[in-house]
Amino acid sequence: DQQVKQNSPSLSVQEGRISILNCDYTNSMFDYFLWYKKYPAEGPTFLISISSIKDKNEDGRFTVFLNKSAKHLSLHIVPSQPGDSAVYFCAASGSNFGNEKLTFGTGTRLTIIP
Amino acid sequence: GAGVSQSPRYKVAKRGQDVALRCDPISGHVSLFWYQQALGQGPEFLTYFQNEAQLDKSGLPSDRFFAERPEGSVSTLKIQRTQQEDSAVYLCASSLLPPPSTDTQYFGPGTRLTVL
Repeated sequence: DQQVKQNSPSLSVQEGRISILNCDYTNSMFDYFLWYKKYPAEGPTFLISISSIKDKNEDGRFTVFLNKSAKHLSLHIVPSQPGDSAVYFCAASGSNFGNEKLTFGTGTRLTIIP
Repeated sequence: GAGVSQSPRYKVAKRGQDVALRCDPISGHVSLFWYQQALGQGPEFLTYFQNEAQLDKSGLPSDRFFAERPEGSVSTLKIQRTQQEDSAVYLCASSLLPPPSTDTQYFGPGTRLTVL
C-alpha cells in the first residue's frame, strides 16, 4: 500500500518557466513533509520541508504548498534552471511514529530543457 | 565537515553469500537510519538507531537482515544468505537530534548491492 504517491514519473519544463511537482498521501498521521532531490549515483539531498500546521513554506526559488484536506502537497520551482534536472522525492513522517523515519514516494524525474 | 559516507559503493554477491555494508554518519549525529531503494522505487525504511540503541527494526524484510551500531557511531547492515530480491541500493542517513525533533536527515551515497 503506497502511502505517499507521486503519480508523474517524469516532467519536462523549459528553462525559466515554473516546475510543479505533485505528491499525494493517504496516512492522516503524517504531520511533516519533505522534498528531497537526487542526482545519479548520489544520495538524496534535502530541499525543503513543511509542517502540517502551515500551508506554505518558501525558500528562494522553491515553495512547497500543503493542502491537508486534500492530502496533497506540491513543490514549485521558479524560475527553473538546468541544474534542477534531477529526481525529486516527496517524503512524509509522523510525530507519533516514535522516530523520524521517512516514507517516500516513487519520485518524479524533472528535466529542464535549455 | 564530512558528510555521511558508505562503503563499499558497489557490491556484487553470489546468491547465498553474506554481505556487510558500512555507514559512517556525520560525527555527533544521534539518529541513524537505514533505507532500501529498489530500482524505480523510493527509499523504504529498514531500521533506526538512537546512539547505540536499535529502537525500530520494523522495516527489516526478514531475519536475514541484521544491523548494529555498537558504539553509537559507525553502523553495519548485514545480510545473510543473500537472495536476488535483496538487490537494491542501501542508503544510510543520519540526523543530529533525536525525536521528537524533525531534524534534517543527511543521506550517504548508498551501496548498490547486486545479487547474482
